[in-house]
Amino acid sequence: DGGITQSPKYLFRKEGQNVTLSCEQNLNHDAMYWYRQDPGQGLRLIYYSQIVNDFQKGDIAEGYSVSREKKESFPLTVTSAQKNPTAFYLCASSIGHSGGTQYFGPGTRLTVL
Amino acid sequence: ILNVEQSPQSLHVQEGDSTNFTCSFPSSNFYALHWYRWETAKSPEALFVMTLNGDEKKKGRISATLNTKEGYSYLYIKGSQPEDSATYLCAFGGGADGLTFGKGTHLIIQP
Repeated sequence: DGGITQSPKYLFRKEGQNVTLSCEQNLNHDAMYWYRQDPGQGLRLIYYSQIVNDFQKGDIAEGYSVSREKKESFPLTVTSAQKNPTAFYLCASSIGHSGGTQYFGPGTRLTVL
Repeated sequence: ILNVEQSPQSLHVQEGDSTNFTCSFPSSNFYALHWYRWETAKSPEALFVMTLNGDEKKKGRISATLNTKEGYSYLYIKGSQPEDSATYLCAFGGGADGLTFGKGTHLIIQP
């Protein structure tokens, strides 16, 4: 089955620790995205990547880092510099970065204790 | 940052009634307008993508219209059913800038 997977579904982290969220797609899409959702807010873009070995900051990139070493993988690291990391994180992919349909993974809920 | 507004924020509708809600977006640099349905504990699912002014799309009891000149889109649900309960997101595509999402309309269908 083609799709996007994210792991883990739930993640708990102690304050001051870095944590990495996984996102994998087998849709052969070039573009991949990370969004964050907080209660009462829309999806806010953290980082995106249009092609392997390239990525761009979104609207709220501070305290996050990404890598895109393989086309199918786009992991997100939430660093200790992120002041309010507790949120729901969604990964998405699309054929290109031209405003076309994005396909979403199931999300990871991160809680900082 | 582009402004994509959805209204209302939440909506309670009686089962069997019809309903509609709005997405407003910038009327310049338009490429596409997307609607997604996001059910609890699931991923957002693409419903429609519209690219031309005057576009109308339909999927079962759900339909959408697009006015790019004035910058709005309506989503209609006819004869609401409990399974329609979800958050409906619209997303504005401006070409090279990917998608900008609204905050969503949270729809609850009451039996």
